[in-house]
Amino acid sequence: EIVLTQSPATLSLSPGERATLSCRASQSISSYLAWYQQKPGQAPRLLIYDTSNRATGIPARFSGSGSGTDFTLTISSLEPEDFAVYYCQQRRNWPLTFGGGTKVEIK
Amino acid sequence: EVQLVESGGGLVQPGGSLRLSCAASGFTFSTYWMHWVRQAPGKGPVWVSHINNNGRTTNYADSVKGRFTISRDNTKNTLYLQMNSLRAEDTAVYYCARDLSVTNWFDSWGQGTLVSVSS
Repeated sequence: EIVLTQSPATLSLSPGERATLSCRASQSISSYLAWYQQKPGQAPRLLIYDTSNRATGIPARFSGSGSGTDFTLTISSLEPEDFAVYYCQQRRNWPLTFGGGTKVEIK
Repeated sequence: EVQLVESGGGLVQPGGSLRLSCAASGFTFSTYWMHWVRQAPGKGPVWVSHINNNGRTTNYADSVKGRFTISRDNTKNTLYLQMNSLRAEDTAVYYCARDLSVTNWFDSWGQGTLVSVSS
């Protein structure tokens, strides 16, 4: 099973700041990584797939990069609605697995 | 508009069974792979099971293999998850999720249904 490790667990930032979230895979997953956003009481929402492709309707301030085992989600300038928990997910191998999440909170 | 509406959750004793349903609308259900994903309280999502568009190919997480069965009825636009031999660790919100065009990414999710396994 491919283990995804996200860091940091919590990121405390102010609106307008840049957020950089990390996801590391236990083995190479090529570019087969996605990012999801989850707000309290809601289902996760797909933000980025195949490392760097924004899903439908996702603003350009969200971007993804990386390959192999190290990946990054960047939010260029935090909006109030971006404070949430973010999860990475891989599809390189079965079982599909998620990371443990990074909470982006208001400083 | 894509809609996925889960139902069938509830409180069940250890060893019991439940069948979850997911009613789909707003897209051509029979052409999409579908998944079940669960999330225990305060934890991250965990993928549970996958089914291809015609129902002939399925995949399961090791933790549910042999106990859970995924199926679909394309005439009713409905996805199912039969859960047997339930354990306390199966307690979670269960989401059905649509696959993004044969990719194993989840591009639409339902609101979830809570399954609680407790005596």
